[in-house]
Amino acid sequence: DSGVTQTPKHLITATGQRVTLRCSPRSGDLSVYWYQQSLDQGLQFLIQYYNGEERAKGNILERFSAQQFPDLHSELNLSSLELGDSALYFCASSPRQGNEQYFGPGTRLTVT
Amino acid sequence: QQQVKQSPQSLIVQKGGISIINCAYENTAFDYFPWYQQFPGKGPALLIAIRPDVSEKKEGRFTISFNKSAKQFSLHIMDSQPGDSATYFCAASEGTYKYIFGTGTRLKVLA
Repeated sequence: DSGVTQTPKHLITATGQRVTLRCSPRSGDLSVYWYQQSLDQGLQFLIQYYNGEERAKGNILERFSAQQFPDLHSELNLSSLELGDSALYFCASSPRQGNEQYFGPGTRLTVT
Repeated sequence: QQQVKQSPQSLIVQKGGISIINCAYENTAFDYFPWYQQFPGKGPALLIAIRPDVSEKKEGRFTISFNKSAKQFSLHIMDSQPGDSATYFCAASEGTYKYIFGTGTRLKVLA
């Protein structure tokens, strides 16, 4: 158990809908990262937040957005969902000093 | 230049054997190279990591070998066990930002 929690574990929704994925980092970690894992694209970095501020952006679609709240939990919002958005979404957190990232158990999103 | 190339895609090893997975990168600004283990339905778990100022790092049965001039690094799993059967990902990062992951290696250790 990495100490990173993610909810929900599974999510099934229809095309065009909007969903919110939630992540709580390990105690004391200030950075939160979001990754998407799909069969054809592998593990792709989406976005990073550090202590509430966006720090780095990767291959994140404009339909997707994220934020980190004062209590350091983070939410990833996915809107206008398409079939191709079906994937595993992972959150990771890292300590104030150091590069290591600890991954949560993921949210499996299925868009039908 | 941001890619990390990982090979092989899949690997079958006998119990007690050595599993070797290789990765190569282009971006010389990368300064942190972790390896992750992922079981089906689980999140990636950090196994071991190395920085470019060290050529080798060992933790238990897991060893990273790093060749800075060749821009390559590899994971060696000694005395491989059936419980090691999983997908392994190498990654690279610059600073404390995003990881660039390799495409993964599916390891199967035969009992």
